[in-house]
Order: sequence, then C-alpha cells, then structure tokens
Amino acid sequence: RKEVEQDPGPFNVPEGATVAFNCTYSNSASQSFFWYRQDCRKEPKLLMSVYSSGNEDGRFTAQLNRASQYISLLIRDSKLSDSATYLCVVSPSGGGADGLTFGKGTHLIIQP
Amino acid sequence: GAGVSQSPSNKVTEKGKDVELRCDPISGHTALYWYRQSLGQGLEFLIYFQGNSAPDKSGLPSDRFSAERTGGSVSTLTIQRTQQEDSAVYLCASSIRTGDNYEQYFGPGTRLTVT
Repeated sequence: RKEVEQDPGPFNVPEGATVAFNCTYSNSASQSFFWYRQDCRKEPKLLMSVYSSGNEDGRFTAQLNRASQYISLLIRDSKLSDSATYLCVVSPSGGGADGLTFGKGTHLIIQP
Repeated sequence: GAGVSQSPSNKVTEKGKDVELRCDPISGHTALYWYRQSLGQGLEFLIYFQGNSAPDKSGLPSDRFSAERTGGSVSTLTIQRTQQEDSAVYLCASSIRTGDNYEQYFGPGTRLTVT
C-alpha cells in the first residue's frame, strides 16, 4: 500500500465552483499534515498546514480525520489561478528527521 | 525576503561524470532537506540536516550519493559516476518550526539530465 494516496485527476472544474480533494495515508503514527501546490515545472509551495481541529485560510479549508486516516482540502469560489497540482504531505514527526512523504498529487484545472 | 536558492538551475552531464548541486537555505533556518522528483513521480526524500549533521542517510539512493553541510548554511549534494536513472529534479528545502510542524520551503530545484 502506498504511504500517501491521492486521486491523480485531472479534476476539470468551472470557475467559481467548489472543489474538494481527499488524500489517505497509511502510517497511523503520522503527526503532521500539509497541503502543497505545485505549478508545472515549478517547486512545491506550502499552501497550508492541516491541524487536528481543521483550519481555514480564505477560500481554502483543510480537515484531518485521524480515525479514518484521511485529509481533505476544500476550495471555494475557485479561480483560474487555482489550476495546479495539489500535493498531500504527511510526516511521522512533524517533518524533522523523517522528512516529508508526498503524495503524487491531484491535478486541478479551473475552466473559464 | 530571500527564499531558498539552488544552483545550477539546469545541469546536463555525461554518464559516469560526477556532479555537485548546491543549496542555500533561508537565513535562520536550521533544518535543510534534499528531495528528488523524477518525471511524473512524487517527491522522494533523500536526506535531512539539522545544523551540520545528518542523523540518517538511509534515504540516499546509493553510495554514489553524498551530501554535506558546512557552517549550518549551504549544502552540497554530490552524485558520483552519474547514471541515466539519476536524471530528475533535485529539490532542496529549509524549515523553521511552527508549533509542532516543520513547515518546509522549497528552492526552485536543479534539473539534472544524464546523457
């Protein structure tokens, strides 16, 4: 079983719509969770950390379900600039000595 | 402020040659990480430095790979006797701890092509 699994997509979504992705992870000892976005041929950029209580940053909402070992990302009022690959990232220890384990990403295309 | 920088941005080398990749982390970030991303694949963790020491080198793909960090700042990743399967984008990240999370910030990467 892969450590971090994501639906690769692509998700084709009209501008202004709401879109949600899920990601599952296999290591129940994982302590820290993140969403990164990666544009084509660019480096990953931190979108948001995911906290146990869930957290929101503008149009983006992240949720963590430890019992089911999944993380979700919700994007409201999607913009053309949201088109990217969204990477689900987990770490056993907070990202220190163990580094981060990345999913392969979900490709999102926002259509005008 | 200045982000993580990496050099060179692109490197084409012949099979069997050695290459050295450089990473300059964000000032004040004590932790530094190397990853690689092959075409169409996810990121693969290679090695982590806390200060100048690397507690665990088991993520390095083979003994042809080595990394060092001096002065708690710049790091170099060296690949000896390069092979075609080494072709990938090599990404460096640095981090500062936020709460219980080490939020990592990535450099633009070095695209390595072994011919």
